[in-house]
Amino acid sequence: EADIYQTPRYLVIGTGKKITLECSQTMGHDKMYWYQQDPGMELHLIHYSYGVNSTEKGDLSSESTVSRIRTEHFPLTLESARPSHTSQYLCASTQSGQRDEQYFGPGTRLTVT
Amino acid sequence: LAKTTQPISMDSYEGQEVNITCSHNNIATNDYITWYQQFPSQGPRFIIQGYKTKVTNEVASLFIPADRKSSTLSLPRVSLSDTAVYYCLVGDGNDYKLSFGAGTTVTVRA
Repeated sequence: EADIYQTPRYLVIGTGKKITLECSQTMGHDKMYWYQQDPGMELHLIHYSYGVNSTEKGDLSSESTVSRIRTEHFPLTLESARPSHTSQYLCASTQSGQRDEQYFGPGTRLTVT
Repeated sequence: LAKTTQPISMDSYEGQEVNITCSHNNIATNDYITWYQQFPSQGPRFIIQGYKTKVTNEVASLFIPADRKSSTLSLPRVSLSDTAVYYCLVGDGNDYKLSFGAGTTVTVRA
């Protein structure tokens, strides 16, 4: 069983608030990812990291930012939440050499009112 | 990055075998084929991966013909709990981006 955690699982917040979605993994994986997925729709990669101090934007433009100060921790921050940010955010990790076997967290469902 | 094509949806009944075929005509020599399963409101879960011929585990079987331009995920004797979206991905593990696409929504009925 994969050990990757996301908090909070659900978040309802007002427009303009700053929020941080937490993601942690205990497997020592070097690669970590953030995906965004609306209900019934495709997953879109918004950020990824190949290791400590490495962060890159994914294919879907996102107003969020990420950091990777520790191997196990990959938080995502929205400086000013908007209703358009309402979505499910999924964090994943994998180890180089595992050939695309990503482990996903349970997700955070964000609603911005 | 190899593009994949799979059916949007499939319906089945409990106890039947479900076969989902994925096309990946421009698969590269170093690419592997990976399948994920996603239940509603959860993250995808890795279920099987292969390079050629046949791979079987406790969940599914993966059939890959010699030309590797397609692959078939086989779910034996499905139950209602197998209702999910199934994604076919192709890559060599070095790409930063895994394109999950729309996947195939499998609905199992009683």
